Amino acid sequence: GEQVEQRPPHLSVREGDSAVITCTYTDPNSYYFFWYKQEPGASLQLLMKVFSSTEINEGQGFTVLLNKKDKRLSLNLTAAHPGDSAAYFCAVALYTGNYKYVFGAGTRLKVIA
Amino acid sequence: EAAVTQSPRNKVTVTGGNVTLSCRQTNSHNYMYWYRQDTGHGLRLIHYSYGAGNLQIGDVPDGYKATRTTQEDFFLLLELASPSQTSLYFCASSDSEQYFGPGTRLTVL
Repeated sequence: GEQVEQRPPHLSVREGDSAVITCTYTDPNSYYFFWYKQEPGASLQLLMKVFSSTEINEGQGFTVLLNKKDKRLSLNLTAAHPGDSAAYFCAVALYTGNYKYVFGAGTRLKVIA
Repeated sequence: EAAVTQSPRNKVTVTGGNVTLSCRQTNSHNYMYWYRQDTGHGLRLIHYSYGAGNLQIGDVPDGYKATRTTQEDFFLLLELASPSQTSLYFCASSDSEQYFGPGTRLTVL
């Protein structure tokens, strides 16, 4: 089945620095790709959904890159601030007769002021 | 007006106990999912459903049953709870993206 590997598991950066989190996946039938943010004690908040073969999406303070050829998805927080401190998860949606989602193990990001 | 709600929010039971976790969505979505979240594993899929009466087995189904009684309601059943099932449980509904509930923290002593 689909394997989603997320790196790094922990990341500490200084305020204003960039932070890059990467996921690789194995199933070529993966359709949609997601990044979620989870603050302590909270549920998951959708940051971005992407689905084109090669796509760069920009949100508020971050960029998401999908490369289907390399089966790689990345999240780049361009100028991290302490409010970005949280856990981040990538997720991949598969269609195998039903829609199923597989998550990466998560990255715990700490932004130091 | 939360679209996905879960109850209870916290539950403590003993080994061998019987637990039911409830999830309700008002998004009119066909798909609903149950996950458990443990440190180092992210979210792992237990069971999911694409409509009332339907049930699909996820990636970590052992020790869990589920039932989808209506389009809105999806239940997760632990009939003989074990300490290894101590976890944070999330429910989600989905169209082209998932909408998560607030989570239920379950402790099995």
